[in-house]
Amino acid sequence: DTAVSQTPKYLVTQMGNDKSIKCEQNLGHDTMYWYKQDSKKFLKIMFSYNNKELIINETVPNRFSPKSPDKAHLNLHINSLELGDSAVYFCASSQEGGGRAEAFFGQGTRLTVV
Amino acid sequence: AQSVTQLGSHVSVSEGALVLLRCNYSSSVPPYLFWYVQYPNQGLQLLLKYTTGATLVKGINGFEAEFKKSETSFHLTKPSAHMSDAAEYFCAVSDIGANNLFFGTGTRLTVIP
Repeated sequence: DTAVSQTPKYLVTQMGNDKSIKCEQNLGHDTMYWYKQDSKKFLKIMFSYNNKELIINETVPNRFSPKSPDKAHLNLHINSLELGDSAVYFCASSQEGGGRAEAFFGQGTRLTVV
Repeated sequence: AQSVTQLGSHVSVSEGALVLLRCNYSSSVPPYLFWYVQYPNQGLQLLLKYTTGATLVKGINGFEAEFKKSETSFHLTKPSAHMSDAAEYFCAVSDIGANNLFFGTGTRLTVIP
């Protein structure tokens, strides 16, 4: 039973399209995150949500819009996709705020924009 | 915001040799500290973490790390490398009281037979 699941695992799309990535966690965690991993493996936090409320938005273009319908889900919608958006996107969750809890990661969604 | 520095983007060791992966953080207030491992085409998995208490932390797969406040470091070690240790390793920090987790640039570990 997967703890943090993301769909789809692979996503190939054309420039200018709009796409969504879904994330669900069944761990009962209060905090969820989106990370972007670029081609050099650098992991950058994009968003952090705690109990459905946005906590962190790390200078991400407003083409990226996270949505949290409930605390078990954090979806990522991307408008007007650009070549530079190609990356692996990871969803994660953690038990508590305050920073001390480990984050559990999904398997990632490899987005390729052509 | 915190910054995390991992010296050496690529480390190669022989099987059975000591593994040492370096991590330094920037904050004057010690944050929470983590090491994660990423195997090819997979998500990240926690190896170990330091929050409070004993500064030498033991994790999974024989890894350990020591928090040294005076050096703002949290280096990862393993006495004897195994082929299965080949992966990407990330040091991460989290500010106390915050819902953030900032990663270093990663170190790719290669184990030579």
